[in-house]
Amino acid sequence: DTGVSQNPRHKITKRGQNVTFRCDPISEHNRLYWYRQTLGQGPEFLTYFQNEAQLEKSRLLSDRFSAERPKGSFSTLEIQRTEQGDSAMYLCASGGGTGELFFGEGSRLTVL
Amino acid sequence: AQTVTQSQPEMSVQEAETVTLSCTYDTSESDYYLFWYKQPPSRQMILVIRQEAYKQQNATENRFSVNFQKAAKSFSLKISDSQLGDAAMYFCAYRANYGQNFVFGPGTRLSVLP
Repeated sequence: DTGVSQNPRHKITKRGQNVTFRCDPISEHNRLYWYRQTLGQGPEFLTYFQNEAQLEKSRLLSDRFSAERPKGSFSTLEIQRTEQGDSAMYLCASGGGTGELFFGEGSRLTVL
Repeated sequence: AQTVTQSQPEMSVQEAETVTLSCTYDTSESDYYLFWYKQPPSRQMILVIRQEAYKQQNATENRFSVNFQKAAKSFSLKISDSQLGDAAMYFCAYRANYGQNFVFGPGTRLSVLP
């Protein structure tokens, strides 16, 4: 197992376009998280899955954001009608029984 | 709502010296976890050390140790014998025992000077 994998690593898009990011967690982990991180800031919680169930979603999350985790394996984060303010690093993390998070390298989004 | 504060945006330390990074948090919970994560430039975040709030003994991992003051809601990280590879952003994080949301501080950028 090579850890948490995220794709694509970088995405440049024009304002108004839709983008989708994929996260493959550590295989035995049942918890999966999405965070957003802007330059010089700490990660900001977006949403959390326990297996395939989305149990928590940040109130700050716009309706343009949606996440899925079919079959409790990989997860996708889609942003519709992107805005320049969506430019950030989108981090995925997974967790198992130890309670800590294991992060991927992130997907950097640039909206022009 | 829980909040995590790191009052030092940037710190520097000479190689082989010791440095302490500060973190305070606000919570009404009595049972929770605290973490320090390291994020090297353009690399993924990795766990440095964790502390369970119910444990009075401060956690230690090799050159990294914490000073956990529950009453003061303080959780500082001490790095001994600093190495060039310690240069990174350091984030303090909190998670309530019965919650799943990790709350992160704004981070401290640590530079290690040769």
